Amino acid sequence: AQSVTQLGSHVSVSEGALVLLRCNYSSSVPPYLFWYVQYPNQGLQLLLKYTSAATLVKGINGFEAEFKKSETSFHLTKPSAHMSDAAEYFCAVTSSGYSTLTFGKGTMLLVSP
Amino acid sequence: NAGVTQTPKFRILKIGQSMTLQCTQDMNHNYMYWYRQDPGMGLKLIYYSVGAGITDKGEVPNGYNVSRSTTEDFPLRLELAAPSQTSVYFCASRASDSQNTEAFFGQGTRLTVV
Repeated sequence: AQSVTQLGSHVSVSEGALVLLRCNYSSSVPPYLFWYVQYPNQGLQLLLKYTSAATLVKGINGFEAEFKKSETSFHLTKPSAHMSDAAEYFCAVTSSGYSTLTFGKGTMLLVSP
Repeated sequence: NAGVTQTPKFRILKIGQSMTLQCTQDMNHNYMYWYRQDPGMGLKLIYYSVGAGITDKGEVPNGYNVSRSTTEDFPLRLELAAPSQTSVYFCASRASDSQNTEAFFGQGTRLTVV
């Protein structure tokens, strides 16, 4: 079964600093990967998705992720954190023959002024 | 743009009571899912459906039941509530199982069993 591992349950950055949230996948076939964001007391919304058309994927709110097959990674980055980026971020991969999505345990991003 | 709608938003149940969490989507999506979210554990798949009349178990189906009589609706039933079912429940839908088709989520139902 496909799975993803998110390193770090909490990441703290200062406003204006680089954001790096890590996601590694385990897959013997090409994976299809997603990053979602969850703001407090809300559902999940899509940040970006890997489509195999390009290894560097740009998403909403200035986030991007790079697919690296050699490292089995799909880390999420943003050059400059904003207070409004404080939320929980989930990496996900399609599984069960693409019928379902399997999520990582999430990383809470804390942004301090 | 309603998307995926879940009701109720909050509920407190006593041990042994039953309830149905409602989920409806207006995007004509074939695929629908129920997840539960517990702190530090991410989202765990309870049940999913690939179309009306077809359902399948996910990772944590025990204590739950589902049905899918229409494309729009995918209710989740708890028959005998237990404290271990205290969680936030999310319903989601996808247009298809194409590899990079994203899921759309409802706002969640926060359930407490006491």
